[in-house]
Amino acid sequence: QQQVKQSPQSLIVQKGGIPIINCAYENTAFDYFPWYQQFPGKGPALLIAIRPDVSEKKEGRFTISFNKSAKQFSLHIMDSQPGDSATYFCAASKSGSSNTGKLIFGQGTTLQVKP
Amino acid sequence: ETGVTQSPTHLIKTRGQQVTLRCSSQSGHNTVSWYQQALGQGPQFIFQYYREEENGRGNFPPRFSGLQFPNYSSELNVNALELDDSALYLCASRGGGRTEAFFGQGTRLTVV
Repeated sequence: QQQVKQSPQSLIVQKGGIPIINCAYENTAFDYFPWYQQFPGKGPALLIAIRPDVSEKKEGRFTISFNKSAKQFSLHIMDSQPGDSATYFCAASKSGSSNTGKLIFGQGTTLQVKP
Repeated sequence: ETGVTQSPTHLIKTRGQQVTLRCSSQSGHNTVSWYQQALGQGPQFIFQYYREEENGRGNFPPRFSGLQFPNYSSELNVNALELDDSALYLCASRGGGRTEAFFGQGTRLTVV
């Protein structure tokens, strides 16, 4: 059963645009929500993460918006650049010794930023 | 660079064979997780090791097994390889009581 649903599957924006990627989760026990960026042939790189006690978090050009009641969270990339072209994954996990490392990933969004 | 290194980078095996993949965790990280990423999909959690003990497992059969060593490096072993085992295998490490997981570059396994 898919516990984290991610959309859209692919996204094309012009340089300077603000791509938005959305994720929805089912398990209300999740309390850690990271976003990863993956380039072809590379492992996922941690971009930014949020916990449900805040509604928004910004790091550089990346912003996470979190809606606990709707069980949704999204990634916004400000002033997008061609170098941001990659696949983005949302993920979720819950606290607890054996659970903390178990990240449940979305299906991924392939972003293309045109010059 | 995350400091998590995996070997080998690429591997081709025949159906029915066994394979061992290796991971060196980031310095100071005592927890290692393994993930399988099929083409075009998100990573799927296989299992996690903490202080040399498995302490979490995903929906993978027993032919997927692992080890963690005193220096916190880890191995993933897969027996009786099947064609569907072809994937990118990722290792992630974390430590210091923190939740953030950092991934290696992965091992691309092809089963023919």
